[in-house]
Amino acid sequence: DAGVTQSPTHLIKTRGQQVTLRCSPISGHKSVSWYQQVLGQGPQFIFQYYEKEERGRGNFPDRFSARQFPNYSSELNVNALLLGDSALYLCASSSWTGVSGANVLTFGAGSRLTVL
Amino acid sequence: AQRVTQPEKLLSVFKGAPVELKCNYSYSGSPELFWYVQYSRQRLQLLLRHISRESIKGFTADLNKGETSFHLKKPFAQEEDSAMYYCALSGAIIQGAQKLVFGQGTRLTINP
Repeated sequence: DAGVTQSPTHLIKTRGQQVTLRCSPISGHKSVSWYQQVLGQGPQFIFQYYEKEERGRGNFPDRFSARQFPNYSSELNVNALLLGDSALYLCASSSWTGVSGANVLTFGAGSRLTVL
Repeated sequence: AQRVTQPEKLLSVFKGAPVELKCNYSYSGSPELFWYVQYSRQRLQLLLRHISRESIKGFTADLNKGETSFHLKKPFAQEEDSAMYYCALSGAIIQGAQKLVFGQGTRLTINP
């Protein structure tokens, strides 16, 4: 198993543009979460999806959206990019179901977004 | 509100010396605490969780609810322990969400 895979690994955008980041969870994991890690800080929760439904949302503006597909992969979209959106975006998957399963996240390597 | 504080951004110790990375949390309920580690050029990975009560790579951490702390300790540091360490908290499942709150991290450097 390749673990959690994310694409692209690096990308550069300009202010006002839109970006889509992609994530494939570990095989068998149905829960996918997204975190933003700004340089020098710990990861900050953006979204969690389970069985294609949004189960949680962090304190981020509506410019941030996500979805989960039937194969449990996920996309994070950010519209109207700002300089402050420059960060490492981490995807994590888990076997957690909300009822059972380990409350442990396995992270991908991240997508580093630079907004100019 | 859930909050995790790691008071030391940088910590440097000599090989063979004891290591303690501090973590304090704020949460009114019963939390689940974790330590995640990120070695150079590697992805963030779980080191240990308090409910497992395991020793991983010689590290241990005890949850002290009275002091709301979850400090990470190792009696004899090794050079390969140099990494970024994050303490994280998972509180009660709110609306079915599995959310981790991370501290700012401590960069541990082991000097030869």
